[in-house]
Amino acid sequence: NAGVMQNPRHLVRRRGQEARLRCSPMKGHSHVYWYRQLPEEGLKFMVYLQKENIIDESGMPKERFSAEFPKEGPSILRIQQVVRGDSAAYFCASSPRTSGGEQYFGPGTRLTVT
Amino acid sequence: EDQVTQSPEALRLQEGESSSLNCSYTVSGLRGLFWYRQDPGKGPEFLFTLYSAGEEKEKERLKATLTKKESFLHITAPKPEDSATYLCAVQGGSEKLVFGKGTKLTVNP
Repeated sequence: NAGVMQNPRHLVRRRGQEARLRCSPMKGHSHVYWYRQLPEEGLKFMVYLQKENIIDESGMPKERFSAEFPKEGPSILRIQQVVRGDSAAYFCASSPRTSGGEQYFGPGTRLTVT
Repeated sequence: EDQVTQSPEALRLQEGESSSLNCSYTVSGLRGLFWYRQDPGKGPEFLFTLYSAGEEKEKERLKATLTKKESFLHITAPKPEDSATYLCAVQGGSEKLVFGKGTKLTVNP
């Protein structure tokens, strides 16, 4: 059973460009979460999605960031007009259930903004 | 607001030298406490879930325990391959996990 897949693994963008990060959950998992890990900081929750629905986006910056999990295809985290402060590792996790269900993480996408 | 504090920030052990990592938490309505292992440049790897005070779980040289205020990850006779950052997280009133900053463990041969 393949694990959570993320691509690209590394992404370099210039300031002002757009970044698109993709996540395919584990087979049979319908809950997807995005987290961000800044250097020397812990993992911070960004957004929780189910198919075609954003359930909790309380950790998402109000501007420039958006996420979707369409009926078909991977979940997408989109960052518009990137700035240097967006440089971080972005991790996707999936879970087979809520309420105490363990979340399985992908390998992450490391975004560098130059 | 849910909070997790891990200590120590870093720990160096000799191979075979047992020790414990601490995770203190405050959460409204604990639904689960999770331990993960993270190697450099990789995603967190799930280790354990604990649900209620008094619960214990074991896996090879690792044993996780839970009280109402903290969790411990005990490492017995560690090996160099146990070197990693160990992360603790809680799930409270929402689905998100709230993580501590981790304990970086180094085991010297």
